[in-house]
Amino acid sequence: GAVVSQHPSWVICKSGTSVKIECRSLDFQATTMFWYRQFPKQSLMLMATSNEGSKATYEQGVEKDKFLINHASLTLSTLTVTSAHPEDSSFYICSARDGGVGEQFFGPGTRLTVL
Amino acid sequence: KQEVTQIPAALSVPEGENLVLNCSFTDSAIYNLQWFRQDPGKGLTSLLLIQSSQREQTSGRLNASLDKSSGRSTLYIAASQPGDSATYLCAVTNAGGTSYGKLTFGQGTILTVHP
Repeated sequence: GAVVSQHPSWVICKSGTSVKIECRSLDFQATTMFWYRQFPKQSLMLMATSNEGSKATYEQGVEKDKFLINHASLTLSTLTVTSAHPEDSSFYICSARDGGVGEQFFGPGTRLTVL
Repeated sequence: KQEVTQIPAALSVPEGENLVLNCSFTDSAIYNLQWFRQDPGKGLTSLLLIQSSQREQTSGRLNASLDKSSGRSTLYIAASQPGDSATYLCAVTNAGGTSYGKLTFGQGTILTVHP
């Protein structure tokens, strides 16, 4: 149980385009989902927290208009990187939690490369 | 602000050796601590989760301890194998402040087990 999927697993896009990444909890209802990014040889940095049906809360320094997060259902959250640029190239990982402050379950990640 | 530090940053050992990875955190107000494994280019695999009220958890050749009052955790790997080679990440779920309910990650320990 407690499986989280991400789609796509990798994406290459041209500079200026927008890219949408999906995060799904397959066997539980995720009241809270988290989005992280990880640069090469670095640890995970939390970008934002989303609660189903409400606006996402962004960490300091993360542009909310650039990284649009939607958590419209208890099993799906999406991250849209708008007008992507090469510096947005990174590994994006989502996680999900089914309530309270219990364990977070992580997706397999999405590798974004912006040319 | 919670800070998580992992020592050593990298470790190379011969196969069969027992080893210890260290994790320290600055704020003892935590709900739990998790150890993860990350293979290159992949997502996170949860190894062990220790609740704040627990002292240790074991899974196979892995044993994790937690001393919340001193802000320390160790991951013990017995009889290491080449397949254990990966980056090991420690993370705490914060119980207070603006990071309530969020994970703070350490920078990781890169483990190489050579035959």
